[in-house]
Amino acid sequence: DAGVIQSPRHEVTEMGQEVTLRCKPISGHNSLFWYRQTMMRGLELLIYFNNNVPIDDSGMPEDRFSAKMPNASFSTLKIQPSEPRDSAVYFCATDRGTVGNEQFFGPGTRLTVL
Amino acid sequence: QKEVEQNSGPLSVPEGAIASLNCTYSDRGSQSFFWYRQYSGKSPELIMFIYSNGDKEDGRFTAQLNKASQYVSLLIRDSQPSDSATYLCATQGGSEKLVFGKGTKLTVNP
Repeated sequence: DAGVIQSPRHEVTEMGQEVTLRCKPISGHNSLFWYRQTMMRGLELLIYFNNNVPIDDSGMPEDRFSAKMPNASFSTLKIQPSEPRDSAVYFCATDRGTVGNEQFFGPGTRLTVL
Repeated sequence: QKEVEQNSGPLSVPEGAIASLNCTYSDRGSQSFFWYRQYSGKSPELIMFIYSNGDKEDGRFTAQLNKASQYVSLLIRDSQPSDSATYLCATQGGSEKLVFGKGTKLTVNP
């Protein structure tokens, strides 16, 4: 299996621009998680889906952030408009959909907002 | 606010020594506990998980859990330079949501 696939791997954009991050989960995994990692705040859960349905979005920082999972093979995290404080590494992770299962992380997208 | 606390380090040990990484958590409802390793510039990968009080051994790694003290630790025996990484402790309660500590950076010196 190819593992969790994320694109792009690196994104540099200017403040105010829209940013879209993409994730393809491992086939057969029913839950998908979006995380953000910074030196100051560590690894934080933004939102997670189970069977394509958003379950917990309490970590989404503000209305500028939105996430969708239109089908079992694809998810997006969108930031509009982006701000310099959004600069971070964004990870997508997936698991089989039950408590106690291992979460497999994608390679991450390093976002820099100038 | 559910919190997971780790000593940020850096923790430096000589090759062949035992590295001891510690983690405390605030949520008494936590049921599952995970240790992830993250090499610089890479994504986290699971190395150990533990659900019950006591010790769990896997090769050179031992996870220890004490729910009464809300404490979980990871011991790495015969540390190797390849063990140099940041180790993230994570807890999980009744949902799939993981709460991560900020990690402890470990350096194993040859």
